[in-house]
Amino acid sequence: QKEVEQNSGPLSVPEGAIASLNCTYSDRVSQSFFWYRQYSGKSPELIMSIYSNGDKEDGRFTAQLNKASQYVSLLIRDSQPSDSATYLCAVIGLTGGGNKLTFGTGTQLKVEL
Amino acid sequence: EPEVTQTPSHQVTQMGQEVILRCVPISNHLYFYWYRQILGQKVEFLVSFYNNEISEKSEIFDDQFSVERPDGSNFTLKIRSTKLEDSAMYFCARVGQGMNTEAFFGQGTRLTVV
Repeated sequence: QKEVEQNSGPLSVPEGAIASLNCTYSDRVSQSFFWYRQYSGKSPELIMSIYSNGDKEDGRFTAQLNKASQYVSLLIRDSQPSDSATYLCAVIGLTGGGNKLTFGTGTQLKVEL
Repeated sequence: EPEVTQTPSHQVTQMGQEVILRCVPISNHLYFYWYRQILGQKVEFLVSFYNNEISEKSEIFDDQFSVERPDGSNFTLKIRSTKLEDSAMYFCARVGQGMNTEAFFGQGTRLTVV
């Protein structure tokens, strides 16, 4: 069973701080990794995709991937109250999985004033 | 602007009734997915649809479910005889082709079975 694990939170950070969200996955041959943001009652919104080991930066967001440790993270710099949402980690594997996404349960982030 | 548009946004139906959920792509993509999310739970894969055929389906996607592209543009997810446990958000997503595997979700349909 391919799994994606996330701490459900809530993770509370003060406005302006760095929020660090973590995700581990069990399928060693996974190749594509994504972070989605989901507001309550809304659909997942793609924030970042990452395919290679290392860091990938986009504005205030940085995704980090370590395939050896089967670990992917998302850093949000200068956190804003509007960043308060659930962040979903999703993975595409290779072994007979096509391009379907396997999601974690999500980490709830609360950015406090 | 959403990549795909889903209708209706909310559907209430009685147990045992058939429902049809619709997904309208903005552009002419070939690869689409249906996912569902039961309240408070993770997003789960249901089925992928490529070039007018099912390419993969999950254990959830049993004989009660079907997908079609009836008019060459809209995609539909049909649940033949709804159960209480089918109550969930249903998302359609379009996926890029080749090396671009990013998935973009529609706004979802909230299905409530009473």
